[in-house]
Order: sequence, then C-alpha cells, then structure tokens
Amino acid sequence: DVKVTQSSRYLVKRTGEKVFLECVQDMDHENMFWYRQDPGLGLRLIYFSYDVKMKEKGDIPEGYSVSREKKERFSLILESASTNQTSMYLCASSASPGQGAFGYTFGSGTRLTVV
Amino acid sequence: AQTVTQSQPEMSVQEAETVTLSCTYDTSESDYYLFWYKQPPSRQMILVIRQEAYKQQNATENRFSVNFQKAAKSFSLKISDSQLGDAAMYFCAYRPGTYKYIFGTGTRLKVLA
Repeated sequence: DVKVTQSSRYLVKRTGEKVFLECVQDMDHENMFWYRQDPGLGLRLIYFSYDVKMKEKGDIPEGYSVSREKKERFSLILESASTNQTSMYLCASSASPGQGAFGYTFGSGTRLTVV
Repeated sequence: AQTVTQSQPEMSVQEAETVTLSCTYDTSESDYYLFWYKQPPSRQMILVIRQEAYKQQNATENRFSVNFQKAAKSFSLKISDSQLGDAAMYFCAYRPGTYKYIFGTGTRLKVLA
C-alpha cells in the first residue's frame, strides 16, 4: 500500500523553538506539499516542491521554510515557533501530470501545539 | 483569484438517505480538475471522486456521484444510501493545469442512525 508518512501525530513545542516536521513518501512522486488545516479556513498551502532541492512558496509561507534533499523526504521547518502556528499540518505527494496521476496522497497529519 | 466555496459548514443525513454537498469555484481556465476528498476522524484524507473539466459526463464511484455544471462553475457531491462510515469532513478541491490544489473550507457531514 502506498504511503505518505508523517513522523509525528501529535507534537507540543514551546514558543521560540525551532520545529521540524518530517514527511516521507514511498511512491517515487515528484511533487510534495505542506498544507496547514484550520477550522473554517480549510487547507492552505505553505510550500511545495516539484523536484529535489526545488521549492516554491505557497499562499502562507511566512514563518516557515522547507527542505528537500532527497526525493522521498520533504521537511517543514518552523524557524521560531509561535502560538499562531498551532494547527494541523498535512503533507501530501503527487506524481507529475505527465505521469498520468492526478490525485494527492496525504499523510495522516501532525497536530502541532505551540505553548 | 481562483477560489473554492463550500457554503455548508455542516450537514446531517439520516442513514440510508441521500445527501448533496455543494461546491462552487471561480476560475477563468477552461481545462482543470475537480475533486472531493473525505477526512474521517482518523484524519487520513481520502480521494472520493474526481472530474476532468473537459468531460461532460458526471463522474460516479459506487454510492458517490457528482453534478458538474461547468458553465455555472458548480461541482456538487451526492451520497446515496448514506452509511455511518460516511460521517466525515468533505473537502472540494480544484486543480488547474499546475500541481497545486485549491481547497474549500470543508463540510462536516453527520450521519444519523
């Protein structure tokens, strides 16, 4: 079964800490994404990557950075965690459109609480 | 700007009945894809159904079907014979020719026994 694995299901961090959220996919997908999910706001794109070492800003990149050193791994970094970054974080991957696949495969999410 | 609107934050349906979830979107593109995703309490987002904009025929997947009205930019999801396991958040999503999706704010579906 294909998988997108997020390293932590729940995470509690202190304000000002540097936080790493890890995502690994085993489908050899080109594209990987980080979304943030908040009630009433749906899913908002933070960053995405369409190739190793490539990254693009999404709609809400402020306060975040990403790293993609290997095709299967896409990390989201909160440089200095703040309470307004308390949220559910979803990782997703997809093959390139030319490969005939259209859908995202999602991880199970990381619920991050910043105190 | 490209947007996706789900105007029903919450819906309820009796078990075995039919329910329709609404979704509208705004785009100037002619070629795109539309999706419905389900997020149960386990949080794992699951693809329910997808529709290519160039296809006039509405997509169906077992008890799930869509009513795609391209001119009206409407993409509603119909769930027939609702089951307790259908209870979840449902997200409508739009994908233009790029990799990125734009999601709606979601509709929470409750199924009453």
